[in-house]
Amino acid sequence: GAGVSQTPSNKVTEKGKYVELRCDPISGHTALYWYRQSLGQGPEFLIYFQGTGAADDSGLPNDRFFAVRPEGSVSTLKIQRTERGDSAVYLCASSIFPGHSEQYFGPGTRLTVT
Amino acid sequence: AQTVTQSQPEMSVQEAETVTLSCTYDTSESDYYLFWYKQPPSRQMILVIRQEAYKQQNATENRFSVNFQKAAKSFSLKISDSQLGDAAMYFCAYRSPSPYNTDKLIFGTGTRLQVFP
Repeated sequence: GAGVSQTPSNKVTEKGKYVELRCDPISGHTALYWYRQSLGQGPEFLIYFQGTGAADDSGLPNDRFFAVRPEGSVSTLKIQRTERGDSAVYLCASSIFPGHSEQYFGPGTRLTVT
Repeated sequence: AQTVTQSQPEMSVQEAETVTLSCTYDTSESDYYLFWYKQPPSRQMILVIRQEAYKQQNATENRFSVNFQKAAKSFSLKISDSQLGDAAMYFCAYRSPSPYNTDKLIFGTGTRLQVFP
């Protein structure tokens, strides 16, 4: 079956612009996660959804970052007033249910802020 | 807060040989999960192996095995009969047991593995 997909694969934007990154989880997966991976680092947790609600958003760095999952499937990560420090690979993962099951990762979106 | 440390930024191994990647972690929890993920240049994280802390037996998946030392908070990955396709970044990760507080993975900084023919 289809895995986790993310669009776009690459995004280049100018400092100060608004961007949206999309994640399509595996069908039927109730839990969805966003991570950010800066160059040379491991992924860092941003936010986790169980169904439509954000169960843990403690990793969002500031109020410029926001994520939604209105129908409990597709999720969008939104970044306002982008800064050069936001440049990173944004990874999305999903799992059947939280806790015991594996998190399946997408290929990520590479965001470059110029 | 939990932390994961990978002290080897790079490792190399000859094809068909064995290599061990190190990982240590810090936690006050008694039950948790540990993982090794592989990230090739395609960027997609692939689960290699997982270990539940309550299990004494070390996990094994084909050529991949772990040495889990709970008291020492150590979780190393051994790759036997290394293949060219094993070349990638390897990340060690920790997850708390309860999904009701948080279900996030905490990653180390990774080890780049090179495999030479």
